[in-house]
Amino acid sequence: EDQVTQSPEALRLQEGESSSLNCSYTVSGLRGLFWYRQDPGKGPEFLFTLYSAGEEKEKERLKATLTKKESFLHITAPKPEDSATYLCAVSGGAQKLVFGQGTRLTINP
Amino acid sequence: NAGVTQTPKFQVLKTGQSMTLQCAQDMNHEYMSWYRQDPGMGLRLIHYSVGAGITDQGEVPNGYNVSRSTTEDFPLRLLSAAPSQTSVYFCASSSGTTGGYTFGSGTRLTVV
Repeated sequence: EDQVTQSPEALRLQEGESSSLNCSYTVSGLRGLFWYRQDPGKGPEFLFTLYSAGEEKEKERLKATLTKKESFLHITAPKPEDSATYLCAVSGGAQKLVFGQGTRLTINP
Repeated sequence: NAGVTQTPKFQVLKTGQSMTLQCAQDMNHEYMSWYRQDPGMGLRLIHYSVGAGITDQGEVPNGYNVSRSTTEDFPLRLLSAAPSQTSVYFCASSSGTTGGYTFGSGTRLTVV
């Protein structure tokens, strides 16, 4: 059974304080690992897809990395507008996604 | 280009009532899915479709039906609503090439 565990559940940072979110996964035949951002009352917004160990993707202050067992979402010099819940998901095939419970990130000005 | 459109945004049902949550996408995506999101449980897959006329069950399909008669539409039917179906429901679609799903804005359903 495919499983995704995200840590920490919640993270509070000061503006400019860099940190990382963790996503540990088990899947039989990884087709892709996905990161999403979700703002309160809205649907998840797609950020990245990673396909193989060693792959990295960047977007503004966010950088996602992938190993055979986990993925990290690095946030560099975050701003208050980066506050959101970040979701990790894996696909073992047929475009079926299994999501983690998310990390609620708060950036204080 | 509206993306994924879900209606209604909010709904209150009485136990035993039935209803259909509507989902439409205008991106010509082959893949569509329905998820429910509950506090502490994350997003869980209810049903999904890999193309018109093809549907399959996800992790939590009981109490829900789907059909996919066109590429654009993927309605979710609640057959006999129960309080355990109180949740936020998200529809999503994907082309399958980039891997990323585009989500709708959700339907918040309360069953009393």
